Amino acid sequence: AQSVSQHNHHVILSEAASLELGCNYSYGGTVNLFWYVQYPGQHLQLLLKYFSGDPLVKGIKGFEAEFIKSKFSFNLRKPSVQWSDTAEYFCAVNAQGNNRLAFGKGNQVVVIP
Amino acid sequence: ETGVTQSPTHLIKTRGQQVTLRCSSQSGHNTVSWYQQALGQGPQFIFQYYREEENGRGNFPPRFSGLQFPNYSSELNVNALELDDSALYLCASSLEAPKGGEKLFFGSGTQLSVL
Repeated sequence: AQSVSQHNHHVILSEAASLELGCNYSYGGTVNLFWYVQYPGQHLQLLLKYFSGDPLVKGIKGFEAEFIKSKFSFNLRKPSVQWSDTAEYFCAVNAQGNNRLAFGKGNQVVVIP
Repeated sequence: ETGVTQSPTHLIKTRGQQVTLRCSSQSGHNTVSWYQQALGQGPQFIFQYYREEENGRGNFPPRFSGLQFPNYSSELNVNALELDDSALYLCASSLEAPKGGEKLFFGSGTQLSVL
């Protein structure tokens, strides 16, 4: 079964700072990788996803993530955060052909104006 | 808005009772998945239904069961509630057949408290 690790559960940073959230997964086969975001009071929504091809994927709101197969990682980055990026961020993975997502525990990100 | 609605938004039950949670998916979404999110944890996969048949199940006991209806609605039933069942229950639907990797549209969840 797949599993996902996210570190630094709580992150506090100032506006314009850079953000990087780590995500490592354990699964030996081919995977699909996702980052989901949950803004305060809202539902989970897809930020970006990787299926194949270019390992650097760009998502909404200036976020990007890089898949490094050798490190089993899919880290999320944003060069300059805004107050509106305050949210909880979840990394998720499923094996290709598998229909179940395995989520990490999430990163609670607070951006101070 | 995702077009996925869940009801009720909050629910309080006592240990041993039974509960039914409901989800209404977007029209045309043939696949619905249910997840349990305990406090401080990420969502955990309970099971998935595709065209009214169960299509995969996570590590949850049989007292967790589900139904999917032709009108794109679905239910999650939990019997013999335990204190550890207290969590946010999320419903997620998707348009394509469940090959893996399809975009999920999540509802806002039902917060269940078991006393």
